[in-house]
Amino acid sequence: EAQVTQNPRYLITVTGKKLTVTCSQNMNHEYMSWYRQDPGLGLRQIYYSMNVEVTDKGDVPEGYKVSRKEKRNFPLILESPSPNQTSLYFCASSLVGVGGNQPQHFGDGTRLSIL
Amino acid sequence: DQQVKQNSPSLSVQEGRISILNCDYTNSMFDYFLWYKKYPAEGPTFLISISSIKDKNEDGRFTVFLNKSAKHLSLHIVPSQPGDSAVYFCAARSDNYGQNFVFGPGTRLSVLP
Repeated sequence: EAQVTQNPRYLITVTGKKLTVTCSQNMNHEYMSWYRQDPGLGLRQIYYSMNVEVTDKGDVPEGYKVSRKEKRNFPLILESPSPNQTSLYFCASSLVGVGGNQPQHFGDGTRLSIL
Repeated sequence: DQQVKQNSPSLSVQEGRISILNCDYTNSMFDYFLWYKKYPAEGPTFLISISSIKDKNEDGRFTVFLNKSAKHLSLHIVPSQPGDSAVYFCAARSDNYGQNFVFGPGTRLSVLP
């Protein structure tokens, strides 16, 4: 089954304790991306990657890191989490077609609470 | 300032009637628009898209209309079904900004039986 898998689905942690949210896709997609969803703001793009070893900042990259060492994996790293990073996070992937206009497939989300 | 706006946080429609969800954008450089549907505890799923060179795209019960001069697009669902009850997100991108997608805040649609 084609899917984007995020882990963990839920995490409660404390300020300053490094954490990683993993994202894996089995569709051989070149493009992967991370979003956060906050009430009234919709989904805001954090980082995206067009292919292995290629990453770019989205609209809200501060406080986050990503890496793309393998095509299928795109982990999101919070080196020193803070309460304002409490949010619902989504990973997405897609092919990169002509013009890059391919719909994204989303994971089911990771709810992070930073105390 | 939000570049993609969905000014109606919620909408209720009777089953069988038409649902119209609206989206406005401010950036004239956007050249591709998508609609996603999201159920609780799931990720968004792609619904329909439209390129800026078109003014209409249809897929079954779903039609998206684009008015570039007004920087406005709308999603029409006809006929509406209870299973359409979800949050709908409008998204936009521009070739000038690479693969940066901008999403609106979403509209919660409730289709009443």
